[in-house]
Amino acid sequence: EAGVAQSPRYKIIEKRQSVAFWCNPISGHATLYWYQQILGQGPKLLIQFQNNGVVDDSQLPKDRFSAERLKGVDSTLKIQPAKLEDSAVYLCASSSVGGPGNEQFFGPGTRLTVL
Amino acid sequence: KQEVTQIPAALSVPEGENLVLNCSFTDSAIYNLQWFRQDPGKGLTSLLLIQSSQREQTSGRLNASLDKSSGRSTLYIAASQPGDSATYLCAAQLTFGTGTRLQVTL
Repeated sequence: EAGVAQSPRYKIIEKRQSVAFWCNPISGHATLYWYQQILGQGPKLLIQFQNNGVVDDSQLPKDRFSAERLKGVDSTLKIQPAKLEDSAVYLCASSSVGGPGNEQFFGPGTRLTVL
Repeated sequence: KQEVTQIPAALSVPEGENLVLNCSFTDSAIYNLQWFRQDPGKGLTSLLLIQSSQREQTSGRLNASLDKSSGRSTLYIAASQPGDSATYLCAAQLTFGTGTRLQVTL
């Protein structure tokens, strides 16, 4: 079974530029998560999707971050415009069934550096 | 708002020792608690998932326990090996701690 795929693996941009990350969850997983992990910290949930609907985006900085999962499969996370403090690893995870009691599986992450 | 704390932040042990990593959380109304391993520059690998109705889970040399009433979970690693060196993270549902960085020395 293929794991969670993410691309790109690394991205370097200048502040005020825009950037997009892509995630393809494990086949059949209904729930998809995006996390931000700043160096030395644990991951912080940005947004949770159940199929193509948003379950929780309370910690997503909506003035600059957006995410979509149009067909209930893969997802994109966008930052526009980027700030220095957005430098972090962006992790995508998926779980098999909706609801909070299910095991999450993570992708390798995208490391973003904002100069 | 859920807060998760992991103590110690870093730990160094000689190979072969048994060790315990601690995780505490403030809101006991959780559906599950999950332990992960993270190697440098890599994503998170799921180790154990404990549902709220369970007290513990075991996988090989790993045993995780959950006490919701006290807001605590522990990860026990038996007979540690250098390959166990990594950062260990716990997540109370979708809220993560900052991790314990483990170094197992020869």
